[in-house]
Amino acid sequence: GAGVSQSPSNKVTEKGKDVELRCDPISGHTALYWYRQSLGQGLEFLIYFQGNSAPDKSGLPSDRFSAERTGGSVSTLTIQRTQQEDSAVYLCASNPLGGLRADTQYFGPGTRLTVL
Amino acid sequence: AQKITQTQPGMFVQEKEAVTLDCTYDTSDQSYGLFWYKQPSSGEMIFLIYQGSYDEQNATEGRYSLNFQKARKSANLVISASQLGDSAMYFCAMREGDTGGFKTIFGAGTRLFVKA
Repeated sequence: GAGVSQSPSNKVTEKGKDVELRCDPISGHTALYWYRQSLGQGLEFLIYFQGNSAPDKSGLPSDRFSAERTGGSVSTLTIQRTQQEDSAVYLCASNPLGGLRADTQYFGPGTRLTVL
Repeated sequence: AQKITQTQPGMFVQEKEAVTLDCTYDTSDQSYGLFWYKQPSSGEMIFLIYQGSYDEQNATEGRYSLNFQKARKSANLVISASQLGDSAMYFCAMREGDTGGFKTIFGAGTRLFVKA
């Protein structure tokens, strides 16, 4: 079965441009996360979708960042007016049922964003 | 306040010896889950082990065990009989079941170096 996929795998953009990053979770997974990982650093939580509930956006670093999840499946993370400090690997993860269970998150390969 | 604290940015261990990676957490929830992930240089995130807050026994998975001390809010990972392939970043993570809305947050990580 297919795992979590992300596209593009690499994105190089100029400062000030908008970018869209896509995540295709595993089919049927109700929970979807976006994280940001700067070089050699930990995972910074950005946003969390759980079923039909309102997303938890508490980790978004500024109003330049937004995310949608359409039809409970595919998610798009949009960064407007990119800045150099936005350069990082953006990781998407999903897990089957959400809630407090032992089910692990399944991570995608990430999108490496470089803002020049 | 940091929810997940990993105080060891880097650790060295001799091959075949055991090593403990520290993790402390901060939550007021009664229901929560604790995870450890491994991230080799390839960048993929590999689930290692899970401990639920109500689990009375320490979790074990092969050479990995989780030393869960609930009163101290610590969830240290013990790797026995270290192998060269264990060299990687290790992340502790927590999923809170009450106030946290079940989202999973990560610590800053510990980089483990296994010496031959």
